[in-house]
Amino acid sequence: RKEVEQDPGPFNVPEGATVAFNCTYSNSASQSFFWYRQDCRKEPKLLMSVYSSGNEDGRFTAQLNRASQYISLLIRDSKLSDSATYLCVVNNADSGYALNFGKGTSLLVTP
Amino acid sequence: GAVVSQHPSRVICKSGTSVKIECRSLDFQATTMFWYRQFPKQSLMLMATSNEGSKATYEQGVEKDKFLINHASLTLSTLTVTSAHPEDSSFYICSARRDSQNTIYFGEGSWLTVV
Repeated sequence: RKEVEQDPGPFNVPEGATVAFNCTYSNSASQSFFWYRQDCRKEPKLLMSVYSSGNEDGRFTAQLNRASQYISLLIRDSKLSDSATYLCVVNNADSGYALNFGKGTSLLVTP
Repeated sequence: GAVVSQHPSRVICKSGTSVKIECRSLDFQATTMFWYRQFPKQSLMLMATSNEGSKATYEQGVEKDKFLINHASLTLSTLTVTSAHPEDSSFYICSARRDSQNTIYFGEGSWLTVV
C-alpha cells in the first residue's frame, strides 16, 4: 500500500469554481504535512504547510485530520493559473527530512 | 530566484555511458540533500539521502553502485547514473535542507533521456 494516496483526477472545473482535493496517509507517525504544486515538467513548489488546526492562505485552505489520517485542500474562486498537479506530501520523523509524495491530483481550470 | 541549482536541466546520453547531475545550494549550507526520481504520471520517489562527508543512504530497490552519490561539500551533491539504460530515462530532482532553518528547497530538476 502506498504511503500517501490521492485521487489522480483530472478535475476539470470552470473559472470561479471551488474545488477540493483529498489525501490519506498510512503512517500514523507522520509529523509534517504539506501541499505542493507541480506544473508540467517542472519541479514541485511548496503551496502551503498543513496544520492540525487548519490553515488558510488566500483562496487556499488546508485541513488535517490526524485521527482519520486525512488531509484536504480547498481552492476557492479557481483561476486559470491554478491549473497544475497538486501533490500531497508527508514527512515522517524516521525519514529525517525526506518527503513522501502522493502521485498528485491534476486540476484543469477552464474559461 | 532559485536557491538550489541543478545542472544539467536536460541531457541525452547513449546507452552504456555515465551521466553526472549536480545539485548546488546557492547561498546556504546544506548538510543533507535528497535525490528523487519521477517517471511520467508517477509520484516523486526518494532514491537516496545524501549527507555531506559520509555515505549516502539509499532507499530499498535503488542500486548504490549504479546511482553514485557524492556530497563532498556543504553546497554540492552529485548524482552519477552509471552505465545508463533507456529505462533510466526519467526526471531526476534534488532537494536541499537549509541547515539553519530546517527548510527544504528543490532544484529545477534534470530530464535524462537515454537512447
